[in-house]
Amino acid sequence: GAGVSQSPSNKVTEKGKDVELRCDPISGHTALYWYRQSLGQGLEFLIYFQGNSAPDKSGLPSDRFSAERTGGSVSTLTIQRTQQEDSAVYLCASSLITGMNTEAFFGQGTRLTVV
Amino acid sequence: AQSVTQLGSHVSVSEGALVLLRCNYSSSVPPYLFWYVQYPNQGLQLLLKYTSAATLVKGINGFEAEFKKSETSFHLTKPSAHMSDAAEYFCAVSANNDMRFGAGTRLTVKP
Repeated sequence: GAGVSQSPSNKVTEKGKDVELRCDPISGHTALYWYRQSLGQGLEFLIYFQGNSAPDKSGLPSDRFSAERTGGSVSTLTIQRTQQEDSAVYLCASSLITGMNTEAFFGQGTRLTVV
Repeated sequence: AQSVTQLGSHVSVSEGALVLLRCNYSSSVPPYLFWYVQYPNQGLQLLLKYTSAATLVKGINGFEAEFKKSETSFHLTKPSAHMSDAAEYFCAVSANNDMRFGAGTRLTVKP
């Protein structure tokens, strides 16, 4: 596609339910990032995928959070047993790692509300 | 991993005044540095980037940033603030094919 696509754009879920957030990166981009942006807060790094390397999961806040990237393309972020503090905008970004071209392109995000 | 520190989560300036948003980075290898901007209710977009070609980088909307290796800084400036500059600004560092962002600075422009 022309840009990074995230779905759904909005998600309201009940506390304790599981949710899946999807990210379609720009075709050919080998690097994919997930970030979380809480109300009035900055960008919180969650996880980073680069090619076939093991992902950097150091930013995942708890074991309720997991992510996978199938076939080096689409990524899914899963939050199990959601809590109200999980409410935030979840942003996905991708980049093409070639020399100086390391600019990250962001999707519009998924706004998650846990009620 | 590399990291970024943005000094000041909120900066307020008057219209026409100098804008200075501070960013310091940490990296074990020569980094690439970026500033992104997020206008209200919009996604993040690239403002400018440093890729070692020139230490003073000019971006969109009159913004520029200077890479200072000795100070490990990449501060963002604009000589004269405009009301439309009100937004959240994020500094980012990329090294070893891994990009990390600062916590962001919210810029408010007063009339």
